[in-house]
Amino acid sequence: DTGVSQNPRHKITKRGQNVTFRCDPISEHNRLYWYRQTLGQGPEFLTYFQNEAQLEKSRLLSDRFSAERPKGSFSTLEIQRTEQGDSAMYLCASSPGRRSDRNQPQHFGDGTRLSIL
Amino acid sequence: AQRVTQPEKLLSVFKGAPVELKCNYSYSGSPELFWYVQYSRQRLQLLLRHISRESIKGFTADLNKGETSFHLKKPFAQEEDSAMYYCALKGNAGNMLTFGGGTRLMVKP
Repeated sequence: DTGVSQNPRHKITKRGQNVTFRCDPISEHNRLYWYRQTLGQGPEFLTYFQNEAQLEKSRLLSDRFSAERPKGSFSTLEIQRTEQGDSAMYLCASSPGRRSDRNQPQHFGDGTRLSIL
Repeated sequence: AQRVTQPEKLLSVFKGAPVELKCNYSYSGSPELFWYVQYSRQRLQLLLRHISRESIKGFTADLNKGETSFHLKKPFAQEEDSAMYYCALKGNAGNMLTFGGGTRLMVKP
């Protein structure tokens, strides 16, 4: 198990374009989280899935952002009509979701660094 | 609302000196507190959590509910401790982590 996997590692795109990131969690982890981290700041929560259900969404997640986890395994985060302010590191994390594992910590991926030109 | 504050952006110490990275939180319930560490060119990883009450790599952290703090301490810093350290809080409702802004620890030889 290589841990949480994210791709691409880097994405450079022009303002106004759409981008999609992928996250593969640790196998058998039911919970999946997306965070955003800008320079000099700690990660900020965006959204959370329990299996395929999106259970929490931050106010940071504007209408241009959409996340899916269709089969309860990998997840995608899409940003439409990108803006300069979307430039950040997008982190994915996963954790077990069974009752017995409720207090297990979140494991993070390497992130996808998005740069908007 | 829950908030985590790490007042120091940068902490520089000499090898062998004691280290204390400060973390204060704001939360009305009983939170769960974590310290995450990010070494150069590596991913964010869990260092320790308050419910485990354990020492990892010589680091300890005690939850002080009266002062709403969770400071990270190590009696003798090593060069390999140089990294970004993030304090994080998980509340009773929901599963999100709220992170502080991070403290960069530099341990000089």
